[in-house]
Amino acid sequence: QSVLTQPPSVSAAPGQKVSISCSGSSSNIGDNYVSWFQQFPETAPKLLIYDDNKRPSEIPDRFSGSKSGTSATLGITGLQTGDEADYYCGTWDSSLSAWLFGGGTKLTVL
Amino acid sequence: QVQLQESGPGLVKPSETLSLACTVSGGSMTSYFWSVIRQSPGKGLEWIGHVFHTGRIDYNPSLKSRVTFSLDMSKRQFSLRMNSVTAADSALYYCAGGQGGESYWGQGTLVTVSS
Repeated sequence: QSVLTQPPSVSAAPGQKVSISCSGSSSNIGDNYVSWFQQFPETAPKLLIYDDNKRPSEIPDRFSGSKSGTSATLGITGLQTGDEADYYCGTWDSSLSAWLFGGGTKLTVL
Repeated sequence: QVQLQESGPGLVKPSETLSLACTVSGGSMTSYFWSVIRQSPGKGLEWIGHVFHTGRIDYNPSLKSRVTFSLDMSKRQFSLRMNSVTAADSALYYCAGGQGGESYWGQGTLVTVSS
């Protein structure tokens, strides 16, 4: 059971928008920046979002991040079949002095 | 561009020690936190720990009693030792480096714990 809670799966049609939530607590999401990672099968994770809502330069603006209190959200617009992957949130926990990952969310583009 | 390469044992016997070395090419060893993250088959990501060039090391509390990190900047390597391994430690182990908007990962090395 992860300290950061994500839905196991989400799905949406091509071209639509999807949101993936990540719920934590005051010692992690509430106190530190959140990152989001994308992972395709048999490949290493890739950073999509850092510092809650910033994108590395190579990440398209279809991907966005937001945070409110102890929850964070990854948004993906204009869904493409190539977006089918597992998505993980991550953040530092100030009480544990440890990095945490959410349990991951599998995105299916129907 | 930073690149990471894992060197792992492949197979480790139960109760023995897993040793993993991560070699860094490109970039500065002083710019990033150097981490090891593992992923059991079909499961999520688990952070094991990280080391910074200042000597700061943080560990996953659930693994702290069995894990030791080290950093050799002259060799551009950081290393993990995990003792008393069990089948639950079988996983794909990734070496990673990152700070802020930069995140670099190795391709991962599969470690199987079995007699």
